[in-house]
Amino acid sequence: GQQVMQIPQYQHVQEGEDFTTYCNSSTTLSNIQWYKQRPGGHPVFLIQLVKSGEVKKQKRLTFQFGEAKKNSSLHITATQTTDVGTYFCAGPMRNQGGKLIFGQGTELSVKP
Amino acid sequence: NAGVTQTPKFQVLKTGQSMTLQCAQDMNHNSMYWYRQDPGMGLRLIYYSASEGTTDKGEVPNGYNVSRLNKREFSLRLESAAPSQTSVYFCASSGRALFFGSGTQLSVL
Repeated sequence: GQQVMQIPQYQHVQEGEDFTTYCNSSTTLSNIQWYKQRPGGHPVFLIQLVKSGEVKKQKRLTFQFGEAKKNSSLHITATQTTDVGTYFCAGPMRNQGGKLIFGQGTELSVKP
Repeated sequence: NAGVTQTPKFQVLKTGQSMTLQCAQDMNHNSMYWYRQDPGMGLRLIYYSASEGTTDKGEVPNGYNVSRLNKREFSLRLESAAPSQTSVYFCASSGRALFFGSGTQLSVL
């Protein structure tokens, strides 16, 4: 069946280092969404990418959608302790209306 | 403006007991969802409702039932809880993106 895979599962960085998480889908996606979940919290929507090759920035966060629309990445420049949490990508299930399928998430910890 | 409200926040059940998780949204969204979150598994869709009166199975529907009572409310019922249903449950509604409730931490002993 359709799968969305994320790597790495965990990433530990020193504050100020960069961080990247990768998302790969088994099928072409019409769009991809990214969510952040703080420890003990609920997922919060960050951004949606729709176009092939699209790049969007939110302050220190850079989101990319691959040319084939099967992969995506989130890059954080100069991490801060406020970036701690789990980052999820999600894409629409093929022929399933509005259902989203989530990647397993990348848990980021930042050492001050 | 509460967004998505879930109750209860915590629950402990014994194997075989039943319970209903309640969810309500005030954003006038048509679509609502129930997800479960387990360590290393991400968020897995249990059931989905595209509109009032319609429901559809997700990835892991076994052992659960749902009711879309009206546009605002979407409840999840465990008829006979099992230890494998120990998890964190999230309700969500969607416009362009998903808006999640604060979650229910359920333990089945």
